Amino acid sequence: QQQVKQSPQSLIVQKGGISIINCAYENTAFDYFPWYQQFPGKGPALLIAIRPDVSEKKEGRFTISFNKSAKQFSLHIMDSQPGDSATYFCAASSNTGKLIFGQGTTLQVKP
Amino acid sequence: GAVVSQHPSWVICKSGTSVKIECRSLDFQATTMFWYRQFPKQSLMLMATSNEGSKATYEQGVEKDKFLINHASLTLSTLTVTSAHPEDSSFYICSASKRETQYFGPGTRLLVL
Repeated sequence: QQQVKQSPQSLIVQKGGISIINCAYENTAFDYFPWYQQFPGKGPALLIAIRPDVSEKKEGRFTISFNKSAKQFSLHIMDSQPGDSATYFCAASSNTGKLIFGQGTTLQVKP
Repeated sequence: GAVVSQHPSWVICKSGTSVKIECRSLDFQATTMFWYRQFPKQSLMLMATSNEGSKATYEQGVEKDKFLINHASLTLSTLTVTSAHPEDSSFYICSASKRETQYFGPGTRLLVL
């Protein structure tokens, strides 16, 4: 019940395309859902986060869509660029403050 | 901003020695810091939660006598890998909490020979 399932494991997108990464959770106590971007050899960097009281949040080219009833949320990267090539992790937390991470998605954006 | 630093960024040590890794929140105070371990092409694995002024809480399966954590101030937590062995070689990452958000350090790569 503590798991966050992330898909796909890897994704190849052409430059200018839309990258979509999906996550699903079971624990209804989760109330905070961040997405992190990680480049090789670096620590994860916060991209965007959402709470379950909204269905969508947009920051620049990054959008989170949240479906509370389905217990699913997704990251959309619009106009994907080669510089977006990285590993993306979804995560969820409750009032414990601990983050439960998804398995990660390796995104490659081809020029 | 919310900047977290780690030192050193990489370290090579001999088997049996101890290694200390520092994690600092540079522009905010963090009551809680977290330590993670990450293997190649895998997700982050939480090792322990560190609260300022109290003992760390370790996740199941993590040896607290091997991975000593000290959270001496609101901006500094340290992880000491004691009597390191080759199987301890990994990428160690800390994070610091600012409200509900965790901000991560750049990581420390440890290689034990």
